[in-house]
Amino acid sequence: SQTIHQWPATLVQPVGSPLSLECTVEGTSNPNLYWYRQAAGRGLQLLFYSVGIGQISSEVPQNLSASRPQDRQFILSSKKLLLSDSGFYLCAWSLRGEPHQPQHFGDGTRLSIL
Amino acid sequence: GQNIDQPTEMTATEGAIVQINCTYQTSGFNGLFWYQQHAGEAPTFLSYNVLDGLEEKGRFSSFLSRSKGYSYLLLKELQMKDSASYLCAVLDSNYQLIWGAGTKLIIKP
Repeated sequence: SQTIHQWPATLVQPVGSPLSLECTVEGTSNPNLYWYRQAAGRGLQLLFYSVGIGQISSEVPQNLSASRPQDRQFILSSKKLLLSDSGFYLCAWSLRGEPHQPQHFGDGTRLSIL
Repeated sequence: GQNIDQPTEMTATEGAIVQINCTYQTSGFNGLFWYQQHAGEAPTFLSYNVLDGLEEKGRFSSFLSRSKGYSYLLLKELQMKDSASYLCAVLDSNYQLIWGAGTKLIIKP
């Protein structure tokens, strides 16, 4: 069966510091991969999605970036965090070419910027 | 623009039935998903509708009317563990998922 791992679960970072969140998927090949952010009491905001290695689509202009160095690895980064980057970050995967199949989420990372 | 509307919060009693509504205005439609999200946790998939009508899965059912741009999630025999947020998401003409803000459901004994 497929599993998705996301870490760390919680992170507290000072303003201006760098960020690296990692997500890996097991049990499937060539997945679509997604990074979302969820503000408290709000819906999901799609940040990036990827349909293959090195292929990244950005949905929202910001100081974040994403990379997919391997088929089942998705990384969210920032060189300098802002206060507004605080939130709940979720990685998700779905079957490529199967848009009617659901997305499956990792456990999330709660990021607090001080 | 694209818009999905859900009530912000609902309260129901243990053992009762509750209906959570979702209306959408999107550029095209290729299906509608419902997810459950417990506080502090990731969303988990509940149901998918692409044709009009009712889909039943145990205590949970989901209904879709494409002509009205409307869906609802029906939860029967409510249990305390059903306290969670319920997210509606629509797959638009570009196969992008548009997410609602979610409905927080509070179950009282």
